Amino acid sequence: AQKVTQAQTEISVVEKEDVTLDCVYETRDTTYYLFWYKQPPSGELVFLIRRNSFDEQNEISGRYSWNFQKSTSSFNFTITASQVVDSAVYFCALSDWNSGGYQKVTFGTGTKLQVIP
Amino acid sequence: EAGVTQFPSHSVIEKGQTVTLRCDPISGHDNLYWYRRVMGKEIKFLLHFVKESKQDESGMPNNRFLAERTGGTYSTLKVQPAELEDSGVYFCASSPDRRRLFFGSGTQLSVL
Repeated sequence: AQKVTQAQTEISVVEKEDVTLDCVYETRDTTYYLFWYKQPPSGELVFLIRRNSFDEQNEISGRYSWNFQKSTSSFNFTITASQVVDSAVYFCALSDWNSGGYQKVTFGTGTKLQVIP
Repeated sequence: EAGVTQFPSHSVIEKGQTVTLRCDPISGHDNLYWYRRVMGKEIKFLLHFVKESKQDESGMPNNRFLAERTGGTYSTLKVQPAELEDSGVYFCASSPDRRRLFFGSGTQLSVL
């Protein structure tokens, strides 16, 4: 069975600080997808990134960066120079390859990030 | 382009009552999914439609839950009768190709 663990329930940082959200996953599949979603106060889930298990190269998008380490089954998310608009709940998720990548996405419990001005 | 729309945004009902949630996917998206987040826990898969057909309903908790997707357009999720443990946020998502999910804002259901 697949499992995603986000050990940090809530994090508070002061604006402009860097923050890393941890994600550890479990799967028996050799190929799979990993995701991060953001849930702002408005409620919708916003897609941030999808990585497949073949590609361990780290990715940077503006102030966001992701560190995928297959050896430790981790897919951590770092926000550099955090801003108040980054305040949200962030979900890490996992999907198996064989099902097409999206039929059953397993989510973590989410990390609530509060950025204090 | 309109996103995934869910209605109502909030619903408060008493135990034993019936509630129907509605999801309007993005136009042209054949794939429609329902997910649920209960009491701050993880978001869990409920079921998956491809057009009007149920592709996978293995996540449906019990027979008090009934999902339909008439004509392959909007979908409804009915809970009858509602129980306290059904409280949570119900998310709908749609996808044109199962490579990327587009989520709605969710329906917050409170069963008292």
